[in-house]
Amino acid sequence: SQQGEEDPQALSIQEGENATMNCSYKTSINNLQWYRQNSGRGLVHLILIRSNEREKHSGRLRVTLDTSKKSSSLLITASRAADTASYFCATDAAAGNKLTFGGGTRVLVKP
Amino acid sequence: DAGVTQSPTHLIKTRGQHVTLRCSPISGHKSVSWYQQVLGQGPQFIFQYYEKEERGRGNFPDRFSARQFPNYSSELNVNALLLGDSALYLCASSLGRSLYNEQFFGPGTRLTVL
Repeated sequence: SQQGEEDPQALSIQEGENATMNCSYKTSINNLQWYRQNSGRGLVHLILIRSNEREKHSGRLRVTLDTSKKSSSLLITASRAADTASYFCATDAAAGNKLTFGGGTRVLVKP
Repeated sequence: DAGVTQSPTHLIKTRGQHVTLRCSPISGHKSVSWYQQVLGQGPQFIFQYYEKEERGRGNFPDRFSARQFPNYSSELNVNALLLGDSALYLCASSLGRSLYNEQFFGPGTRLTVL
């Protein structure tokens, strides 16, 4: 079973628009990470947010974490065609050494 | 520096056969993890090895096994293949023991079971 669930499952936007996707999880975590995957190949790490952080920025990416609601959001600002990919959240449970991925959000950025 | 490498890139097997997948981590990385990604889903954690010892295991049957060698490369073995084992198998490496460090993924091995 997958701890994290992304919403929406798919997103289609125009270049230049912002893309927002959400991740919900079930158990207490140490950290939450976001990864990008292009065309079913290897994943690329985007950003990590620790359980004691509420917001983090990296370039055009903004991640928020609400541990009381067990949810996180990823915002991509001023999207580009190259941002077309699947985005996954991954959590490491506070108990046990295991990294759990959500089902992903497929983002299509139209030029 | 080379990234994580995996071999083979693609593999076709028939039900009941055995398969071995290989992974070479980034130089200096001592942790290797394996994931199974079925089409349209997120990766599912199979194993983590650190310093040649198993440090984590996901909910996979005993048909799945792995090991890590003294040079930190790793093999994933799957016995008695089933159709449902068809997936992209991803390997990731990281510096530290914990999985909450950034994971560096290889391109994957696509396994098709007929």
